[in-house]
Amino acid sequence: AQSVSQHNHHVILSEAASLELGCNYSYGGTVNLFWYVQYPGQHLQLLLKYFSGDPLVKGIKGFEAEFIKSKFSFNLRKPSVQWSDTAEYFCAVKSGILTGGGNKLTFGTGTQLKVEL
Amino acid sequence: NAGVTQTPKFRVLKTGQSMTLLCAQDMNHEYMYWYRQDPGMGLRLIHYSVGEGTTAKGEVPDGYNVSRLKKQNFLLGLESAAPSQTSVYFCASRTSMNTEAFFGQGTRLTVV
Repeated sequence: AQSVSQHNHHVILSEAASLELGCNYSYGGTVNLFWYVQYPGQHLQLLLKYFSGDPLVKGIKGFEAEFIKSKFSFNLRKPSVQWSDTAEYFCAVKSGILTGGGNKLTFGTGTQLKVEL
Repeated sequence: NAGVTQTPKFRVLKTGQSMTLLCAQDMNHEYMYWYRQDPGMGLRLIHYSVGEGTTAKGEVPDGYNVSRLKKQNFLLGLESAAPSQTSVYFCASRTSMNTEAFFGQGTRLTVV
């Protein structure tokens, strides 16, 4: 079974600081990788996704993530955070097979980011 | 575009009561999912469906049932609610191709 680990549960940064949130997954085959963001009181929204190709993926609002297959990682980065980035961030993995576990989208436990002015 | 719509948005139940949460999507998506979100535990998959008339268990299926009689609707049922089912429930859908999942606004359920 695939699993997703997010090691940073709570992160507090000052505005303009750089951000890196870790995400590691356990599935060894082809995977689709996602980062979602949940602003307070809202539903999950997609930040970025990786299916294939360039392992450095750029998403909305200046976020990017790098897929490192050898490390089973898909870390989220942003060079300079803003107060409005305060939210909870979820990494998610879907395996590439189309049957059985490949239909499941598995989430990490989330990282709560607070950006202070 | 409505996207993924969940009904109701809030509900308070007494222990032992039953209820059904409705998820409706207007994007002709094949796959639909029900998750529950609890503090510190992220989103955990309850049940999912890969198409009309099919359902499958996720990580935490106990105490829940689902049905997918129509492609656009995915119902989550609680036959006898328990306080442990107090949570925020999210529905999601996606196509059968390699795409992201789209989420509903969530249903906040409290069981007292």
